[in-house]
Amino acid sequence: DGGITQSPKYLFRKEGQNVTLSCEQNLNHDAMYWYRQDPGQGLRLIYYSQIVNDFQKGDIAEGYSVSREKKESFPLTVTSAQKNPTAFYLCASSLRPGQTVDEQFFGPGTRLTVL
Amino acid sequence: AQSVTQLDSHVSVSEGTPVLLRCNYSSSYSPSLFWYVQHPNKGLQLLLKYTSAATLVKGINGFEAEFKKSETSFHLTKPSAHMSDAAEYFCVSSGYSSASKIIFGSGTRLSIRP
Repeated sequence: DGGITQSPKYLFRKEGQNVTLSCEQNLNHDAMYWYRQDPGQGLRLIYYSQIVNDFQKGDIAEGYSVSREKKESFPLTVTSAQKNPTAFYLCASSLRPGQTVDEQFFGPGTRLTVL
Repeated sequence: AQSVTQLDSHVSVSEGTPVLLRCNYSSSYSPSLFWYVQHPNKGLQLLLKYTSAATLVKGINGFEAEFKKSETSFHLTKPSAHMSDAAEYFCVSSGYSSASKIIFGSGTRLSIRP
């Protein structure tokens, strides 16, 4: 089955710790995205990548970092600099780089809770 | 500047009655418009997409939406609600260039009464 996987589903972190969320896709999509979702709010873009070894900041990149070493993988690191990291994180991909008219395919999400 | 406004944060309907979820967009050009559905603690799934072809777009699960340029609207409808339609719905706007942003509405929570 083609799709996007995110792991883990639930993640707990102590304050001051960095944590990395995994996102893998086997759709052969060029573009990948990370979003943050807070209760009762829409999605906010953290980072996106249009091709391997390239990525751009979204609207709320502070306290986050990403890498895109392989086409299939786009991990997100939530650093200790992120002041309020508790949220639901969604990874998405779309077929063509730079084509925002393409639909996005979403993973099942990771719920991060800071203790 | 692009923007998307979902006019209702919460809509409640009885099972078997029609559903209307409202979305207005603002753009200096004709954008692509999408409706996604999100069930609790899940990712988003595409319901339907408008890309300047037919103005009436049919999607999955009996949903459809009509693009009305004069009203800058892209409302989502379904003739008869089912209990499984209870979810969060997002209207999304995007453009045709790499500089265009993907803009998400704030979402509408749909509840279905038995």
